[in-house]
Amino acid sequence: GNSVTQMEGPVTLSEEAFLTINCTYTATGYPSLFWYVQYPGEGLQLLLKATKADDKGSNKGFEATYRKETTSFHLEKGSVQVSDSAVYFCALTLTGFQKLVFGTGTRLLVSP
Amino acid sequence: DVKVTQSSRYLVKRTGEKVFLECVQDMDHENMFWYRQDPGLGLRLIYFSYDVKMKEKGDIPEGYSVSREKKERFSLILESASTNQTSMYLCASSTPGQHTYEQYFGPGTRLTVT
Repeated sequence: GNSVTQMEGPVTLSEEAFLTINCTYTATGYPSLFWYVQYPGEGLQLLLKATKADDKGSNKGFEATYRKETTSFHLEKGSVQVSDSAVYFCALTLTGFQKLVFGTGTRLLVSP
Repeated sequence: DVKVTQSSRYLVKRTGEKVFLECVQDMDHENMFWYRQDPGLGLRLIYFSYDVKMKEKGDIPEGYSVSREKKERFSLILESASTNQTSMYLCASSTPGQHTYEQYFGPGTRLTVT
């Protein structure tokens, strides 16, 4: 089956620290991969995406590279801010299908 | 900008009541989705719809039904609410394009069933 596994949170960092949130996937075909972010009290927003192997998605200082050989799509940011505190969801979808498969989410807490 | 709106941010209902959650999108998207979000479980798909009057079961459809009479509106119905349906409910929409299938989410409805 298709599934996404994320590291458990919460991840607690100080401002300006380096962030990595791990995400690995299992898929029967060739998925597109996504990171969504949910700020407190809000719905999910697409943060970045990658549609084929070795693609790098980037947005707002966040990056993730689609690694087919390790079936991974880890989220990174060089210097986090307090405003990055949120829940981050890794997700995949398969070509020809409309459904997203989500990981369980990782809460990030950034302190000043 | 795509906008997905949900009828209520917070809702409190009693066990056994019939509950309607409404979702409207303004971008003429073909696809609409209902999820529930619970701590430690992430998002789980309840139902989705590819077109008007079309619906498909997701991963956890039991206890729910849906209605899509107009393209822009997708309703989730709890026929007889139970306490285990207390959750955050998220609506989303998308349109197929260039293999991305991005989904746009509403702000969510936090439902409490007492």
